[in-house]
Amino acid sequence: DTEVTQTPKHLVMGMTNKKSLKCEQHMGHRAMYWYKQKAKKPPELMFVYSYEKLSINESVPSRFSPECPNSSLLNLHLHALQPEDSALYLCASSQRGLAGGLPETQYFGPGTRLLVL
Amino acid sequence: AQKVTQAQTEISVVEKEDVTLDCVYETRDTTYYLFWYKQPPSGELVFLIRRNSFDEQNEISGRYSWNFQKSTSSFNFTITASQVVDSAVYFCALLMGGSEKLVFGKGTKLTVNP
Repeated sequence: DTEVTQTPKHLVMGMTNKKSLKCEQHMGHRAMYWYKQKAKKPPELMFVYSYEKLSINESVPSRFSPECPNSSLLNLHLHALQPEDSALYLCASSQRGLAGGLPETQYFGPGTRLLVL
Repeated sequence: AQKVTQAQTEISVVEKEDVTLDCVYETRDTTYYLFWYKQPPSGELVFLIRRNSFDEQNEISGRYSWNFQKSTSSFNFTITASQVVDSAVYFCALLMGGSEKLVFGKGTKLTVNP
C-alpha cells in the first residue's frame, strides 16, 4: 500500500485566517515532504522532515509553519497568507530520510487545493 | 548544477497511437536516480518508475516502456496504443545520491483524443 492521505481536499481562506493542512501515511516511511505547485508548473519543494526532524527548509516564508508530531503525521500551519500563495499543496513520503542512506522513491498524496482571498 | 529538460510542452494524439515523451537530464554526479510521475487532472502525482544511474536496463510494464541511455543523458517514456485515460501531465525528475530534493522537469501535457 503506497497511500498518502491529505486533508482537506480544498481550502478557501482569507488573508487574516489561520488554517492547517494535514498529511498522513501508514507505510512506515521516515521522511515526509511538503511541496507547492502552481498551475502549469512542476512541484517545488518547501520542507523535508527526516526522522521527525526538519532537515530541509527551502527558504519558505514564515507564514508557512511545518510540524511533524510523529512519524506518520505532517502538518502545515498557515497564517497571514497572500493571494499568491494560492496553489496545490502536495505532501509526499519516502521510506528513509538521509540518515537512512540512499534516497528512496517519494510517494505523493492527492494534494490540497488552497485559495487565498 | 542539476537540470531536467522536457522539451515537449504539450502533445496531442489520437487513441491507439504510440507516443514518446522525452526527458534529458544534466548532472555531474555519478550516482543519481531518475523518475517518471503522472499527474492526472485530479492533481495527485502518481509514481510510475524509478531508474538508478548504475542500471541502464530498459523496462517495459504493460503499455509503458522506458529507454534509459546514459550516453545521451536521456530517459524517454513511450506509451504504446495510447488510451484516453493516459491523458495527464507527465513529469520526469532527477534525484542525486545523498539528496532529498527531487529536481523536476517542466512536465509534458499529454492529451489522448478518442
